[in-house]
Parts: sequence; C-alpha cells; structure tokens
Amino acid sequence: EVQLVESGGGLVQPGGNRRLACEVSGFTFGSYWMYWVRQAPGQGLVWVSRISRDGNIADYADSVRGRFTMSRDNAKNTLYLQMGSLRVEDTAVYYCARARNVVTTILSHWGQGTLVTVTS
Amino acid sequence: SYVLTQPPSASVAPGQTARISCGGSNIGDKEIHWYQQKAGQAPVLVVYDDTNRPSGIPERFSGSNSGNTATLTINRVEAGDEADYFCQVWDSGSRHVVFGGGTKLTVL
Repeated sequence: EVQLVESGGGLVQPGGNRRLACEVSGFTFGSYWMYWVRQAPGQGLVWVSRISRDGNIADYADSVRGRFTMSRDNAKNTLYLQMGSLRVEDTAVYYCARARNVVTTILSHWGQGTLVTVTS
Repeated sequence: SYVLTQPPSASVAPGQTARISCGGSNIGDKEIHWYQQKAGQAPVLVVYDDTNRPSGIPERFSGSNSGNTATLTINRVEAGDEADYFCQVWDSGSRHVVFGGGTKLTVL
C-alpha cells in the first residue's frame, strides 16, 4: 500500500524557517517525481514545487521560488521542503504527493498534510 | 501563467447529474485531471488525462475536454459525492502545475 506521511508543521514566526518532511512507503521512491501542494485555510489547492526522480531538477511556483527548496533522499525514502523567509500568507496545510507514473504530472497519491502556521 | 477557471459552487439533487466546468485557453490541447476533496481529507484523483478513471473510482465519474472547457460529469449523484472538486493541468511553457480554484458541490 502506498503511504505518504508528512511531518514538520507547526507555528513559526514571520521571517523564520521550517523544514517539512514526507516519508513514503509501499513503492520504489526513486522511480517517481514528487510534489508539494499547499492549501490555505478555506482556500483551494496551490502547487508549490516538484522534484525529479534523482533530485537534480526542481520546479517552483513563483510565490516560493528563492525562499523554498525541495529535495529528496532516495535512500531514506524521504522528501523534504525547506521553507525560508516565511510569510503570513504561507500559512497552509502542506501536502506531499506522488506522480501517477514515471513521466506524468498526475498526482495519484497524497499524504494527509501537515499544517504550517506563520504568525507573530 | 496559465489560468483555470471553475465556478465556485454547484448543487444537484440526489440521483441527478452534476456537471462541473473548468475553463482555460485552448484547454482542449492539454490533458486535464480532476480531484475530489471531502471536508477534512486529502484530495483524491477521480479522473486523469481528460477521461480516464483510476481504479476504485465509480463509473459514475467521467470527464470530457474540448475547446476552452473541460467538464467533470457525475451521474446518479449520491450524498457521498458532496465535496470540493479541482481541475489541474501541466503548463509546459512555465513548467508549472496549475489548479483551478475549485467547485464546491452540494447535494441537496
């Protein structure tokens, strides 16, 4: 069974940093592109970033480029999102998701999310 | 960057057909995917590549995509279909994943 479990959420002050993790199981982690998607309270889904299977390619939404860094450790079956210079508007539930197959942008499996609250 | 437009809400009586639209410039040239998100839960893929259903998704869910509008159709709507529905595409020009704003489906 494919499982994705996010961790690392919590309260953080504006301008602060936070690292999220997503530990996966039930599939060969290094064979899939991975994604982060966020959802502000009561709002819609917003794509944050994605990373290639080997971690050498990462794409970012304009709103987080230069502040967030996505990475992965295929040996540890873990995905990361390093968030910096956090803003109040970064407050959201952050989901990690897996591509449906090797070369698609279809998000077929999702974690349950971890809430990041940016507040002073 | 590319924009997907969805109506914020839709309502349908049980047993009827719900149609949720997703508009975008020449969206018919792209592959569109649909997600269902029930209250307090993570999103679930219900249709991919315009018309395909993942395993476990009822045949009542179907999709179409042409011109400037894609549509998710839910036949014989049940109370359990009440959820937010999001469309999504890949914009190769900007290398961005793009979601629509979501449609809240209410089952009357």
